[in-house]
Amino acid sequence: GAGVSQSPSNKVTEKGKDVELRCDPISGHTALYWYRQSLGQGLEFLIYFQGNSAPDKSGLPSDRFSAERTGGSVSTLTIQRTQQEDSAVYLCASSLARNSPETQYFGPGTRLLVL
Amino acid sequence: GDSVTQMEGPVTLSEEAFLTINCTYTATGYPSLFWYVQYPGEGLQLLLKATKADDKGSNKGFEATYRKETTSFHLEKGSVQVSDSAVYFCALSDSGGGADGLTFGKGTHLIIQP
Repeated sequence: GAGVSQSPSNKVTEKGKDVELRCDPISGHTALYWYRQSLGQGLEFLIYFQGNSAPDKSGLPSDRFSAERTGGSVSTLTIQRTQQEDSAVYLCASSLARNSPETQYFGPGTRLLVL
Repeated sequence: GDSVTQMEGPVTLSEEAFLTINCTYTATGYPSLFWYVQYPGEGLQLLLKATKADDKGSNKGFEATYRKETTSFHLEKGSVQVSDSAVYFCALSDSGGGADGLTFGKGTHLIIQP
């Protein structure tokens, strides 16, 4: 289909609540990436999936963050017990494969605000 | 670890001026290098890329040459337009160092005045 899509586009939540962010990659792209874009930290890489597998979760900021991918397609990034410092734009990207310098295509992002 | 350093903004130029945005990198392997652009209200888009030393990436009048000897990937355009106003990110993908995902610079906000 078209490009990478993400939902919701904006999310406002109260501190302590859980949020779930969704990413729908380009059809046929096996690699999927999550990034966070914030004023203080710039663009940070969080986690990637090759198929449904995420071999390295060390980029996730804390154990409140988790991600999963099912069917080699849609991915969800879950933040539990949100904190104000989680406020940022969460970007998803996909590419054809990981083991080559393939171009990553980015979605529009989910802007998260934790009050 | 890998890192990308690019000039701080905002950079303000007049229309038709020559543009250079500097980018240097450190990497453990043999990275591919990218410039991404984020127009106001839009998502990140790939502008150009280079996958090996001395390669030149080009698109929309922008160019960048992969210089291994100076570990640089400076972005240039001969004559900028108001529509080029955006935030530009230099990034690398280190295929040989075990890194995953892209490592980005902090971005350079470019403002072109008519």
